[in-house]
Amino acid sequence: GESVGLHLPTLSVQEGDNSIINCAYSNSASDYFIWYKQESGKGPQFIIDIRSNMDKRQGQRVTVLLNKTVKHLSLQIAATQPGDSAVYFCAVPAYNFNKFYFGSGTKLNVKP
Amino acid sequence: AAGVIQSPRHLIKEKRETATLKCYPIPRHDTVYWYQQGPGQDPQFLISFYEKMQSDKGSIPDRFSAQQFSDYHSELNMSSLELGDSALYFCASSLGGGGNGMSDEQFFGPGTRLTVL
Repeated sequence: GESVGLHLPTLSVQEGDNSIINCAYSNSASDYFIWYKQESGKGPQFIIDIRSNMDKRQGQRVTVLLNKTVKHLSLQIAATQPGDSAVYFCAVPAYNFNKFYFGSGTKLNVKP
Repeated sequence: AAGVIQSPRHLIKEKRETATLKCYPIPRHDTVYWYQQGPGQDPQFLISFYEKMQSDKGSIPDRFSAQQFSDYHSELNMSSLELGDSALYFCASSLGGGGNGMSDEQFFGPGTRLTVL
């Protein structure tokens, strides 16, 4: 199976600063990675994904970086806003997409 | 746009009772995943279905069973409920997951909060 883990359980940032959330995975054969945002009382919401043939992908205010050498990915949020406060998970699907493995979430607190 | 619908949103049961959670995927989605999320924990995969057939199974107790019906909705049946079953149960749907190894984005429902007393 896949083991996915996050480095920090809680991250507090000032509004307007950039946030970086990290995630490590164990299976070097993993080739697809997803970041989810989960607000309190809601289901996880897709933020951005990346395939292993890329090392960087950008979205709106978010960037995911993938380092396959050390099996690490990160989510960068630019100009963090109060609405970004949530728990962030990285997830990796099984090779056949029959299931997804979630890492332990990082709670992002944005201070106004 | 239509999203994944889960019902009920909240459910309170006594120990040893049974519960049935329902999931209605996004129209045209053929794949359903069930996850359990305990307080402060990450979602744990329970079971998935593709085209009405079970495609994978995770850490789902034998007391639980699930199925996907002809209209693609899915039900998670939980029997002999235990206190430890109290959790958020999420259903997610996608198009094409499991069958050919490629999957579009997985969309999550709002979850059912099960409390076992």
